[in-house]
Amino acid sequence: AQKVTQAQTEISVVEKEDVTLDCVYETRDTTYYLFWYKQPPSGELVFLIRRNSFDEQNEISGRYSWNFQKSTSSFNFTITASQVVDSAVYFCALSEALHWLAQGAQKLVFGQGTRLTINP
Amino acid sequence: SQTIHQWPATLVQPVGSPLSLECTVEGTSNPNLYWYRQAAGRGLQLLFYSVGIGQISSEVPQNLSASRPQDRQFILSSKKLLLSDSGFYLCAWSVLAGGGTQYFGPGTRLTVL
Repeated sequence: AQKVTQAQTEISVVEKEDVTLDCVYETRDTTYYLFWYKQPPSGELVFLIRRNSFDEQNEISGRYSWNFQKSTSSFNFTITASQVVDSAVYFCALSEALHWLAQGAQKLVFGQGTRLTINP
Repeated sequence: SQTIHQWPATLVQPVGSPLSLECTVEGTSNPNLYWYRQAAGRGLQLLFYSVGIGQISSEVPQNLSASRPQDRQFILSSKKLLLSDSGFYLCAWSVLAGGGTQYFGPGTRLTVL
């Protein structure tokens, strides 16, 4: 069965520090997608990134970067020069195809989330 | 651009009462629609998904049901709420071309007393 583990339940850092959120996944599929979502205090899940299992290139978007390593089944997320607005719960997720008739519908298997607090 | 709405935003209901949560999507056609629940301090769990009008699949047996009366409307219901139904309910949509990326609504926080 698919599984996503975010071992860090809570992280607290001071503003401007770099912080890395860990994500380890388990799957038997050869093709899959990995995601990161941000959940601010308002509760809405905000999509950050999607990574295809065939693409192991690291990605950078502003202060955010992602390190995908298939050999260790990890998809870690780093925030550089953190800011107070980065405070949120971050979820890593793995896609699982629901059914061959399901027209591309995917089930997202979520980790338990990491609560990140950035202190001024 | 696409927008997803959920209402109500918060709801407090007594045990045994009925439930109806609504989700609507704008700006896209024939989306796949999903209901997730987030229990306190826990991750998200997929409850239902739908690939078209009237087509509902359940992932977890429970006290809830879902319906899709229109292409961009998804409803979560219960005839009699249980205490264990409390949680944060999130609706999401995706399209085939989007590679499975799901976009979430603002959520409904349900408390059953």
